[in-house]
Formats: sequence, C-alpha cells, structure tokens
Amino acid sequence: DSGVTQTPKHLITATGQRVTLRCSPRSGDLSVYWYQQSLDQGLQFLIQYYNGEERAKGNILERFSAQQFPDLHSELNLSSLELGDSALYFCASSVGTSGGVRQYFGPGTRLTVL
Amino acid sequence: AQTVTQSQPEMSVQEAETVTLSCTYDTSENNYYLFWYKQPPSRQMILVIRQEAYKQQNATENRFSVNFQKAAKSFSLKISDSQLGDTAMYFCAFMKGSNTGTASKLTFGTGTRLQVTL
Repeated sequence: DSGVTQTPKHLITATGQRVTLRCSPRSGDLSVYWYQQSLDQGLQFLIQYYNGEERAKGNILERFSAQQFPDLHSELNLSSLELGDSALYFCASSVGTSGGVRQYFGPGTRLTVL
Repeated sequence: AQTVTQSQPEMSVQEAETVTLSCTYDTSENNYYLFWYKQPPSRQMILVIRQEAYKQQNATENRFSVNFQKAAKSFSLKISDSQLGDTAMYFCAFMKGSNTGTASKLTFGTGTRLQVTL
C-alpha cells in the first residue's frame, strides 16, 4: 500500500458527460501528480500541483482541469468526455520541499466512456 | 524535451533465469534520475529501482540491478533468478533533477511486457 488513495476505482459514463476523480496524497506529501495511461498514448504526465499551486503542466486537454485543496487532496475534472478519454488515471504524490524524488502512486481510477 | 525508448515490447524468461530489459533515453540535462517501474496485472505502479545520474555506481535492489551507461544514455534492468511474480509490464522513466532535490514529472517509455514461464 503506497498510502495514496484514489476514488472511485472504476467509473463508467457516457460521451459528453463530466466526471471528477479524487486523490488523497500520502500524509505529509505536498506534491500531487496526475498521469493518464491509455492504449494510444501510453503513460503520460498531465499536471502537477504543489501545496495548492499548479507547478507543471503536461499534455492535458483543455477539457480537463485539476485543483489541489487546502487539505492537499486533489481532484481531476474531465468534461465533454469522448471515447478516447477512456484510460487509467493515476495520481502520485511526493514529499515536496523536504526532499526526496520518489513518487508514490495510487491504485488508479479506470474510466470507461461509452 | 526528454524521450525514453524501450525497444522490446515483449520478452519471455524461464523461472530462475536472468533477463535484461533495455532502455535508452535522450536528454540535454546533466542532473536527472532514472527509474524502473513494474506494473503487474493489478495495474498498481511499483517502483523497482532508482538511479541518480551523478552516481557512477549501478543501483541494485536484491535480484534487480541496472547497467547505467551515462555517455551512451542507456539504462537497462537485469532481473536475476526470475520468479513467476516478476511477470508484469516494466516501464523505464526519466525525471529531471532540481536544485532543491525535489521531484518533478516522470517521462515514461512505452513499456516491456515480461512473461516468466515455468
């Protein structure tokens, strides 16, 4: 168990809908990362938050947005869903300014868009 | 931008044998980290081993070791005494280093599917 939790585990929805994925980092970790794993694109970085602020952005679509709350949990919002958004979405956390480069991955949320 | 290449989509090894998974990367950075992650059928991402670019000594973790060739930008993973539980997808990943020693985004290769057989 990495200490990172993600909910829900599975999500099935229809095209055009909007969903929210939730991530709780390990206790004390300030940074949260979101990754998408799909058959087409492989594993790719979406976005990073550090202590509530956006720190880095990757190949995140404009239909996607994220935020990190004061209690450090993070949410990834996916809107106007398309079939191609079906993927496994991982959240990872790391310790931030106290050092350490290891990222701890959550179990992922599997999104299926029908 | 950094790229990570894994040229072996699939590999197979017999139990108790040794197997080597290849990874090459491209970067202009001098300060970086390299990782191997294992993804079993459960889909959980598990860190196998990590290498700091400034360290010449190859990292080892029990049955897992790496051959880090900085000049050649090569980072292969050797699994000794392979076990059935090693069956998984293996991803090589790159992380740019920072002045503060903190983490940043991971750039992954496409993965190598390893099957360990009896």
